[in-house]
Amino acid sequence: AQSVTQLDSQVPVFEEAPVELRCNYSSSVSVYLFWYVQYPNQGLQLLLKYLSGSTLVKGINGFEAEFNKSQTSFHLRKPSVHISDTAEYFCAVSDAKTSYDKVIFGPGTSLSVIP
Amino acid sequence: NAGVTQTPKFRVLKTGQSMTLLCAQDMNHEYMYWYRQDPGMGLRLIHYSVGEGTTAKGEVPDGYNVSRLKKQNFLLGLESAAPSQTSVYFCASSSDRPYGYTFGSGTRLTVV
Repeated sequence: AQSVTQLDSQVPVFEEAPVELRCNYSSSVSVYLFWYVQYPNQGLQLLLKYLSGSTLVKGINGFEAEFNKSQTSFHLRKPSVHISDTAEYFCAVSDAKTSYDKVIFGPGTSLSVIP
Repeated sequence: NAGVTQTPKFRVLKTGQSMTLLCAQDMNHEYMYWYRQDPGMGLRLIHYSVGEGTTAKGEVPDGYNVSRLKKQNFLLGLESAAPSQTSVYFCASSSDRPYGYTFGSGTRLTVV
């Protein structure tokens, strides 16, 4: 079974500053990794995903994430945040061997961008 | 617009009442999922379906039932609501993996 840990429940950051949201996962099998974003009172949107190949994955809205197999981490980064990035961010994992996405989500990190 | 539609958006139930949440997708996706979202716990999988006529249990299935009689619809039922089922419920669908999920906008359920 897989599990996901997001080390920071809340991250405040000033506008135009860089940010890193941390994610670690646990799995005995090969995995796919995802980051989703949830804006207030909305559903979740896929931000980016790691399937295989290059460990640096670029997503929408200027976000990127790096897969580190040895540290079982998939941290999300953005070099300069905007007020509009204020949202809840969820790291997620699924078993790469199954034929469908049965995704396990982390508890979420609330990013607050301060003007 | 194509996507996942959940009805209703809000509902208040009394303990012991029953209700059904409807999820409809128009993307011809094979796979559909029901999650519940609670503060500090992320999203937890309740039930899922890998095709019309099939359902399977997720992490937290107790107290819920589901049906997928048509490919585009996935129903979540609460037979006897309890306050512990107060939550925001999200439906999602996906096609051939690994494209990621398309989520609905959620149903906020309060059981009093």
